[in-house]
Amino acid sequence: DAGITQSPRYKITETGRQVTLMCHQTWSHSYMFWYRQDLGHGLRLIYYSAAADITDKGEVPDGYVVSRSKTENFPLTLESATRSQTSVYFCASGTGELFFGEGSRLTVL
Amino acid sequence: GQNIDQPTEMTATEGAIVQINCTYQTSGFNGLFWYQQHAGEAPTFLSYNVLDGLEEKGRFSSFLSRSKGYSYLLLKELQMKDSASYLCAVRGERDSGGYQKVTFGTGTKLQVIP
Repeated sequence: DAGITQSPRYKITETGRQVTLMCHQTWSHSYMFWYRQDLGHGLRLIYYSAAADITDKGEVPDGYVVSRSKTENFPLTLESATRSQTSVYFCASGTGELFFGEGSRLTVL
Repeated sequence: GQNIDQPTEMTATEGAIVQINCTYQTSGFNGLFWYQQHAGEAPTFLSYNVLDGLEEKGRFSSFLSRSKGYSYLLLKELQMKDSASYLCAVRGERDSGGYQKVTFGTGTKLQVIP
C-alpha cells in the first residue's frame, strides 16, 4: 500500500539499551524527517535527509543516529536510550506538505 | 531563529465558527502551514499560505499577513469530529544543508461541545 509506515508502533525499553525505529515510504519523496513530539514542546526536528546517503541534524539531534542507504527507508537509532527520550516519534516525508507516519510511542524505563 | 505562538486550548460549540490564531517571528519566511492532529494520531495537512490573504478550502479557511507575522485558521460549521489539535508551522530560511526549515508551534487543542 502507498504511504509512510513506522515500526514498531509501541516500544518499552530500558535505559542504556539501543533502539531502532523504522520508517518506510512508498512515494519516492527525496526528503524524509524524524520528529519527536512532547507535551509543551510540539513537534521538534531530530534529523532529516534530502536524499539517499545525505542526512543532516535538526533541532534536537543529540543521542540519535540516522542512516539512509535507500530512498524509501530512514531508520532512527537511539544508541543508548535515556529516560528523556521517552516520547512519540513521527517520521515524515515530502518537500512542501509533509506526510506523517502513524508514530512510534517509545517509553524508556 | 523562529518563535511561534498559538493559544494552548480553545472550546467552541457545534455548528459555530472558531478562529485559531498563530503569530510568528522568524529570521526568514517562506510559507505557513496548518495541520490537524487528532488525539493519538499523526498530523495531517490542512492548508498552506505563502502570500497575504485568505485561502478557502471547504469549511476551513486560512489567512496570512506577512507584515504582521500573523495567521489564523477559521473553522466554520463546527462538527464534533473537528475536536483535535491544530498545529501552525512556519517555513523559514534555508539552513546549511539547503533545507528550508519548518518549525512547528506547540498546537492549539480545540474541543467542540454539543
